[in-house]
Amino acid sequence: AQSVAQPEDQVNVAEGNPLTVKCTYSVSGNPYLFWYVQYPNRGLQFLLKYITGDNLVKGSYGFEAEFNKSQTSFHLKKPSALVSDSALYFCAVRDIGGNTPLVFGKGTRLSVIA
Amino acid sequence: DAGITQSPRHKVTETGTPVTLRCHQTENHRYMYWYRQDPGHGLRLIHYSYGVKDTDKGEVSDGYSVSRSKTEDFLLTLESATSSQTSVYFCAISEGRGGNTEAFFGQGTRLTVV
Repeated sequence: AQSVAQPEDQVNVAEGNPLTVKCTYSVSGNPYLFWYVQYPNRGLQFLLKYITGDNLVKGSYGFEAEFNKSQTSFHLKKPSALVSDSALYFCAVRDIGGNTPLVFGKGTRLSVIA
Repeated sequence: DAGITQSPRHKVTETGTPVTLRCHQTENHRYMYWYRQDPGHGLRLIHYSYGVKDTDKGEVSDGYSVSRSKTEDFLLTLESATSSQTSVYFCAISEGRGGNTEAFFGQGTRLTVV
């Protein structure tokens, strides 16, 4: 079975500082990994995905994520946080072997403080 | 934004009444999904569809049924609403080819069962 863990319910960071939102996953084979962001009263917006190739994936709004197979992690990062990055972030996984629906983590709330 | 429309956007209903939520897409994507979002649980899959009249259960399908008679419409029905079904419901779509495609989300329906 596929699963995702986001170990932090809340992450606080000062504006201008680097941010990291953590994600670890479990799949039986190789994973497809995704990050989404949700702003208040909105649906989820796709940020980036890892399919294959370079372990560092770049996405929307200056976000990037690093795939680490040995640690089964896919942490979301940004070099310099903005107040407007404050939102709820979800990591999701799908086993590469099938066309099964995405399995989501419980989400991490990011607060960027001016 | 992907062409996904959920209706209604907000609904208050009484315990024991049937409720139907509608998801309409204009992207001609094969896969459609219903998730519910609850604090502390993230997004959990209710049902999904991989084609017209082809559906399957998700993690939290009890008390819910779905139908897909046309590519563009995916209906979620609560046969007899309970207070535990108070939640925010999201529809998502994906092309589904090869499993490496991201899902796109609607704006959500906030359902309150009183």
